[in-house]
Amino acid sequence: DQQVKQNSPSLSVQEGRISILNCDYTNSMFDYFLWYKKYPAEGPTFLISISSIKDKNEDGRFTVFLNKSAKHLSLHIVPSQPGDSAVYFCAASAGPAGGTSYGKLTFGQGTILTVHP
Amino acid sequence: KAGVTQTPRYLIKTRGQQVTLSCSPISGHRSVSWYQQTPGQGLQFLFEYFSETQRNKGNFPGRFSGRQFSNSRSEMNVSTLELGDSALYLCASSLEGHGYTFGSGTRLTVV
Repeated sequence: DQQVKQNSPSLSVQEGRISILNCDYTNSMFDYFLWYKKYPAEGPTFLISISSIKDKNEDGRFTVFLNKSAKHLSLHIVPSQPGDSAVYFCAASAGPAGGTSYGKLTFGQGTILTVHP
Repeated sequence: KAGVTQTPRYLIKTRGQQVTLSCSPISGHRSVSWYQQTPGQGLQFLFEYFSETQRNKGNFPGRFSGRQFSNSRSEMNVSTLELGDSALYLCASSLEGHGYTFGSGTRLTVV
């Protein structure tokens, strides 16, 4: 039962263009969503997050959009840079009201982003 | 400030042996979570500790265990190692709530 899904295993974009990474979830108890960037043999690095009370959050080149009715979120990177090439993971957590949320992030399978110079 | 420190970075063990991995969280962080990353299953939650108490546990067999010390440092132990336990084991710490910072992980290879 995959509660967080990233349906695109890979994405290739040109430097300077927009990268859009997508994520879908099924658990309606999720109330906090995060995006992480990961290089091989390293731990995930936090990029940006969004609470379910918002529909958009921006941080520099990164913007996350949340559509609760569709249970869908996306990460926009503008402009894309070659250094952005990595695996991007979407993750979700349920608050204490969800009952068993402590410390638990549910991750998607990841999307490999390649930004070409 | 120092990040999350995991030791060792790499480990090779034989089937049937046991292994202990260590995680030092960011200073002041009391919550420590452990994850297993494999190519087939992705990143999966093992367990979480807060103030020396396990608050949450994922769907892993009892061979996987952990503990947390009074200084918030945490260890995880895997007994009777199987080939399928080969993975990158990641630790994450949090002040409380949702902001999790990950360490670089321990790469365990079981032969």
